[in-house]
Amino acid sequence: DAGVIQSPRHEVTEMGQEVTLRCKPISGHDYLFWYRQTMMRGLELLIYFNNNVPIDDSGMPEDRFSAKMPNASFSTLKIQPSEPRDSAVYFCASSLAGATNTGELFFGEGSRLTVL
Amino acid sequence: AQSVTQPDIHITVSEGASLELRCNYSYGATPYLFWYVQSPGQGLQLLLKYFSGDTLVQGIKGFEAEFKRSQSSFNLRKPSVHWSDAAEYFCAVGAVTGGGNKLTFGTGTQLKVEL
Repeated sequence: DAGVIQSPRHEVTEMGQEVTLRCKPISGHDYLFWYRQTMMRGLELLIYFNNNVPIDDSGMPEDRFSAKMPNASFSTLKIQPSEPRDSAVYFCASSLAGATNTGELFFGEGSRLTVL
Repeated sequence: AQSVTQPDIHITVSEGASLELRCNYSYGATPYLFWYVQSPGQGLQLLLKYFSGDTLVQGIKGFEAEFKRSQSSFNLRKPSVHWSDAAEYFCAVGAVTGGGNKLTFGTGTQLKVEL
């Protein structure tokens, strides 16, 4: 079975440019999470969705960040305009709700973003 | 608010030696606790989890963890470390409410294994 798929794996861009990160969750999972990982702050939850609806976006750092989930198999995280302090590894994770929910998050391999 | 503390940023052990990684949590109710491992350039993989019942849980790769409510701890252990265990380890706490699980992660412990 395919796991969580993220693209691109690596992105290098210049300050001020728009960045779009993509995620395909595991088929059948109804929760999707975006995390950011930096040396200084560790893993931070940015936003999560349930059945394509944003539930909690309190971790989104500022208005330059936006996330969408147009359908159950696709989500994007967009940064516009990007700044050097946005450099980090961005992880997408999905999980399955219901009676058998074990709470386990399944992570993608991450998108490493470098903003020059 | 829930929080997790991993007091050790780096730990170095010799191959074959035993390992214990510390984790302390803060949570208002019975927590759901997890340990994840991250190898370089990879995403996080679940090692083990605790929800209820037996406070000693077994995970993959020979790892185990013990939930101690009185100490608010969930330490990860392995009796004999292998060189391939070198990675970063994250403890996490969360609440499975309504099916979804919002996890709070610790800052991680980087494990180095000396041959």
